[in-house]
Amino acid sequence: RKEVEQDPGPFNVPEGATVAFNCTYSNSASQSFFWYRQDCRKEPKLLMSVYSSGNEDGRFTAQLNRASQYISLLIRDSKLSDSATYLCVVNEAADAGKSTFGDGTTLTVKP
Amino acid sequence: GAVVSQHPSRVICKSGTSVKIECRSLDFQATTMFWYRQFPKQSLMLMATSNEGSKATYEQGVEKDKFLINHASLTLSTLTVTSAHPEDSSFYICSARDGDRGVYSNQPQHFGDGTRLSIL
Repeated sequence: RKEVEQDPGPFNVPEGATVAFNCTYSNSASQSFFWYRQDCRKEPKLLMSVYSSGNEDGRFTAQLNRASQYISLLIRDSKLSDSATYLCVVNEAADAGKSTFGDGTTLTVKP
Repeated sequence: GAVVSQHPSRVICKSGTSVKIECRSLDFQATTMFWYRQFPKQSLMLMATSNEGSKATYEQGVEKDKFLINHASLTLSTLTVTSAHPEDSSFYICSARDGDRGVYSNQPQHFGDGTRLSIL
């Protein structure tokens, strides 16, 4: 079983749709969580950190469920520019905060 | 926010050439930097962790003599692909965390722009 698992998709949605991605992690001692987006042939860029209380940044909402060991990302009112691969990243508490990346979920927003 | 710069962004060279890629943290000091490789439509693969003033830590299966890492200062790490061959063609990306913003292990990684290496 992978340490961080994501549904690879692809998710194909129309503009304006709401889409949700889930990510599960296996190490219960994980302590920090992030969502990145990666555009084709580009480097990953930090989208948002994920906090225990849940957090929102415009159309994006991230949530963490420590008991079930999953993280979610909700995108409301999808835009064409949201098309990208979304990576879930988990930092461990030990091992100098080793980061483990999910394989990514690909989103395509269509007109 | 934390900025990581990577250079060059694109390299095309002949088989057998050695290629050096630089990774710089521009507005923070990074005692540790990370080097990744990504093939088309595949996930990021961690190659090695670069440690300032000491040897890099390589992931299993990554040849340390093939991929030389030097982290001589708190803002610069270099990856040299020695005697590159076509199978080394890939997207190489470095990253670092800004430990000045809080507990280091809680910080996100910030990535350089990546280097697209093509070996003919």
